[in-house]
Amino acid sequence: DIQMTQSPSSLSASVGDRVTITCRASQSITSYLNWYQQKPGKAPKLLIYAASSLQSGVPSRFSGSGSGTDFTLTISTLQPEDFATYYCQQSYTTPRTFGQGTKVEIK
Amino acid sequence: EVQLVESGGGLVQPGRSLRLSCAASGFTFNDYALHWVRQAPGKGLEWVSGISWNSGTIAYAASVKGRFTISRDNAKNSLYLQMNSLRAEDTALYYCTKDRRMIAVVGEFDCWGQGTLVTVSS
Repeated sequence: DIQMTQSPSSLSASVGDRVTITCRASQSITSYLNWYQQKPGKAPKLLIYAASSLQSGVPSRFSGSGSGTDFTLTISTLQPEDFATYYCQQSYTTPRTFGQGTKVEIK
Repeated sequence: EVQLVESGGGLVQPGRSLRLSCAASGFTFNDYALHWVRQAPGKGLEWVSGISWNSGTIAYAASVKGRFTISRDNAKNSLYLQMNSLRAEDTALYYCTKDRRMIAVVGEFDCWGQGTLVTVSS
């Protein structure tokens, strides 16, 4: 199975900050990398697919980059509604695997 | 509006069975692959199983293979997960999810239900 490792596991940031979350795959997954946001008590929401494509309806302050084994999710200007847990997930092969999550908290 | 509504969760003893259902609406059901993803209390996300639009391609996580069976009824716009020989470690919120792209089984989960909770305990 492909292992997905996110860093950091948690971070504290302020509204207006630029936030970067990293995801590393245990082998190359080309661009088959997706990012999800999950708020407490809610289902996950797809933000980015295919490493850098913004899902319809997602604000443009979210962006994704990377290929191969190293990927990044960037929130350009953190908003109050962005405090949540973020997961990366590979769709290169079965089983689809997720990172352990990165919790973005208010500083 | 796309909607996925799970049902069938509950408290069950180890070794027993449970069948989850997911009722879909708001999209052409038989054009899309569907998946089950679970989340243990306070933990991360785990893909469980996926099925193609025509049930021709089915896959399972190693942790459930041989115990769980995914199926779909395109006439009823419904997805199912038959769970047998349940274990304590199967305790989780089970989400029904839809693949983003038509026909292909890609594993980009663009719509999620609210989840149904399965608790395995004696």
